[in-house]
Amino acid sequence: GESVGLHLPTLSVQEGDNSIINCAYSNSASDYFIWYKQESGKGPQFIIDIRSNMDKRQGQRVTVLLNKTVKHLSLQIAATQPGDSAVYFCAENMAGTGRRALTFGSGTRLQVQP
Amino acid sequence: GAVVSQHPSRVICKSGTSVKIECRSLDFQATTMFWYRQFPKQSLMLMATSNEGSKATYEQGVEKDKFLINHASLTLSTLTVTSAHPEDSSFYICSATRQGLNTGELFFGEGSRLTVL
Repeated sequence: GESVGLHLPTLSVQEGDNSIINCAYSNSASDYFIWYKQESGKGPQFIIDIRSNMDKRQGQRVTVLLNKTVKHLSLQIAATQPGDSAVYFCAENMAGTGRRALTFGSGTRLQVQP
Repeated sequence: GAVVSQHPSRVICKSGTSVKIECRSLDFQATTMFWYRQFPKQSLMLMATSNEGSKATYEQGVEKDKFLINHASLTLSTLTVTSAHPEDSSFYICSATRQGLNTGELFFGEGSRLTVL
């Protein structure tokens, strides 16, 4: 398998602080990456994506950074709010190839303290 | 747009029975749907890829005779867990690619929690 971890690390931050969630991927052929947010008992919710021809992409309060050299992806959440508490997964794909399914990372639980 | 609906959201069944989970794309046509399984505090693991009008492709280690997948139309795929056992208890999530969209993005359903007694 690829990019599958055995643990679910937890990041605890104070409300209003910035959060940085990291992800390492293993497939150097991946060219499309997505961050998903998953709340308890629900399906993954799209947050932001980035293609391999970019190294940074910004959304509303979120920024994704991609370092292809070390196969590292990060999600930055500005001014973290209690509603941001969830498990965050990075996922990778090879858009335009035969394999269309996303491969998910192990996930990080974000706990926002009020 | 791009809404994926799963039904039922929760199901409890007795060991040995079969359970069917439906996955529908409500506002788009999905030529390909994917079924994932997620155990508590773990990541999503791909079980199989379902293509409309053809046989599903199963990931290594997933029993095709136990997890029957049917993708009869461009908006519906079903997963049937046959002769369910307690170890099949899990969160099953379907996702779909939008026909004509080749970005690699998947749209996910809300998941179906199966509990086998």
